[in-house]
Amino acid sequence: KQEVTQIPAALSVPEGENLVLNCSFTDSAIYNLQWFRQDPGKGLTSLLLIQSSQREQTSGRLNASLDKSSGRSTLYIAASQPGDSATYLCAVRPGAGSYQLTFGKGTKLSVIP
Amino acid sequence: DGGITQSPKYLFRKEGQNVTLSCEQNLNHDAMYWYRQDPGQGLRLIYYSQIVNDFQKGDIAEGYSVSREKKESFPLTVTSAQKNPTAFYLCATFQQGIYGYTFGSGTRLTVV
Repeated sequence: KQEVTQIPAALSVPEGENLVLNCSFTDSAIYNLQWFRQDPGKGLTSLLLIQSSQREQTSGRLNASLDKSSGRSTLYIAASQPGDSATYLCAVRPGAGSYQLTFGKGTKLSVIP
Repeated sequence: DGGITQSPKYLFRKEGQNVTLSCEQNLNHDAMYWYRQDPGQGLRLIYYSQIVNDFQKGDIAEGYSVSREKKESFPLTVTSAQKNPTAFYLCATFQQGIYGYTFGSGTRLTVV
């Protein structure tokens, strides 16, 4: 059974710092991986979707990488801002015929002004 | 604006009562999902539906029921058989392509 782990569970950084969030998964046979952001008491907002054939995706200050063979993905946030404070979750989709996601428990990011 | 509407935002349930959470979408997406989120446990799949009039159990379906009579709507009923229903419930849709999954803003259910 696929398991997704996100370490650390919480991270606090000063404003302006570049940072990396980690996501690992036990079964490398994935179709794609998606990063989400969740603000307190809110739903999930999709940030980046990486297909299994891709190595990375970029959107603004965000860059997500995928290394399927090692079962790892990273989300890089450049020049962090207090507005980036949120919980970041990664989720993997096992195959083209499956529409179910397996989620990590998230990393809670605090960017200190 | 295209999106997913979940209502109500907050819901209180008495012991032994059934309650229904609403999820409506105007994205024209085929697949819809219900997830439960508890502190420290991440998201767990309750039910999902890939087409109208068909749905499948997820990992924690016991004590819940759903229907999918219209493409736009996927309501979730939390029955009295669900012994620990206090949680944050999220509805999502899926469409093939670059967007993947889209989530609603959630319903917080509390047992009183």
